[in-house]
Amino acid sequence: GAVVSQHPSWVICKSGTSVKIECRSLDFQATTMFWYRQFPKQSLMLMATSNEGSKATYEQGVEKDKFLINHASLTLSTLTVTSAHPEDSSFYICSAGPGLDTQYFGPGTRLLVL
Amino acid sequence: GNSVTQMEGPVTLSEEAFLTINCTYTATGYPSLFWYVQYPGEGLQLLLKATKADDKGSNKGFEATYRKETTSFHLEKGSVQVSDSAVYFCALTSNNAGNMLTFGGGTRLMVKP
Repeated sequence: GAVVSQHPSWVICKSGTSVKIECRSLDFQATTMFWYRQFPKQSLMLMATSNEGSKATYEQGVEKDKFLINHASLTLSTLTVTSAHPEDSSFYICSAGPGLDTQYFGPGTRLLVL
Repeated sequence: GNSVTQMEGPVTLSEEAFLTINCTYTATGYPSLFWYVQYPGEGLQLLLKATKADDKGSNKGFEATYRKETTSFHLEKGSVQVSDSAVYFCALTSNNAGNMLTFGGGTRLMVKP
């Protein structure tokens, strides 16, 4: 079946550094990918929609200068958390799909900012 | 806008008990409905889906029927196992929202042996 990968799965960084998270669709092309954030014991919150070849669309309340999204190809989207702070610690999940009704989720990236 | 409401957890059951997790929604357009499962320490996995009214999605013994008249998509399983312990998310996407998913708050299920 279709697979979406994320890298890294775990990252620990110091406050003030930037962290890049990759999301790849392994056996299909995705013009659109989605980035979600999940706080402990809470639901997923959509952060932004990543569009291949154009700017990402951010949800209200999400700082686009802090969470940089680049969708450079039909199989890769990256999320960069710039100048990370402890409150950015979270579980970040991407999703992509080959069609309208089918979304596959990546395994997630757990970020811990010290 | 679209929204999904799930029963709050945690839901604690004994093994082989019957499970129901309620899910209701509001949506414009013609939504497709999903249940996702998140096992401890893992990402989300699609459990089942239904794309039109009266469709029944099923997988791994779980079932959910798309009820347009009651705007519901309740998840059921006749006999739960300890390995079913996870967080379950109801979600929808509609044809006026592209592929974007709207999630419910999630329901934690704990099954005791």
